[in-house]
Amino acid sequence: NAGVTQTPKFRVLKTGQSMTLLCAQDMNHEYMYWYRQDPGMGLRLIHYSVGEGTTAKGEVPDGYNVSRLKKQNFLLGLESAAPSQTSVYFCASYDWGYTFGSGTRLTVV
Amino acid sequence: GDSVTQMEGPVTLSEEAFLTINCTYTATGYPSLFWYVQYPGEGLQLLLKATKADDKGSNKGFEATYRKETTSFHLEKGSVQVSDSAVYFCAHSPTTGANNLFFGTGTRLTVIP
Repeated sequence: NAGVTQTPKFRVLKTGQSMTLLCAQDMNHEYMYWYRQDPGMGLRLIHYSVGEGTTAKGEVPDGYNVSRLKKQNFLLGLESAAPSQTSVYFCASYDWGYTFGSGTRLTVV
Repeated sequence: GDSVTQMEGPVTLSEEAFLTINCTYTATGYPSLFWYVQYPGEGLQLLLKATKADDKGSNKGFEATYRKETTSFHLEKGSVQVSDSAVYFCAHSPTTGANNLFFGTGTRLTVIP
């Protein structure tokens, strides 16, 4: 039982490049979330999903898109990366409790 | 709106000292309350939680009591160890909607021998 797996763990992008972060969970959870963690600001919700085929905006959605085509996967996309998107990204899933992935450290130069 | 206000850090304590990290929240209804811990280079781990007023969550010597009257969930430990050095996040989850967590800004604790 792997829980929540995030790939990649580290990535460096140039401004304007695109990439997709993958979150996979094997617990059959309905709810999944993407957060970003920035110094002095805690974790802020980017987008979330309450089930397969559904997505919704969180607190800081601008510059990101998401998809939940399969229940176990929640993808976070950056179409045109900006330095302001340098952050640590955490995925989480929820059923009767929350499980977090180990994070993706993204640097945009 | 929903929010969490957490004691500013960093906090530096000597081993065996008493720890308190203050946390207050703003929420509608009766949210669940959490403390998460993040060790260097790792993700978030649930430390303890409480789901209703006057509940006390406890784990690894840490405790926090859900105080509805003061909307607080302060984290305490009677005798900290070097291994407790980490960042601690207070969070709450509304009882309706997307069930997402609202986090405080985190408090970095360093325990010195």
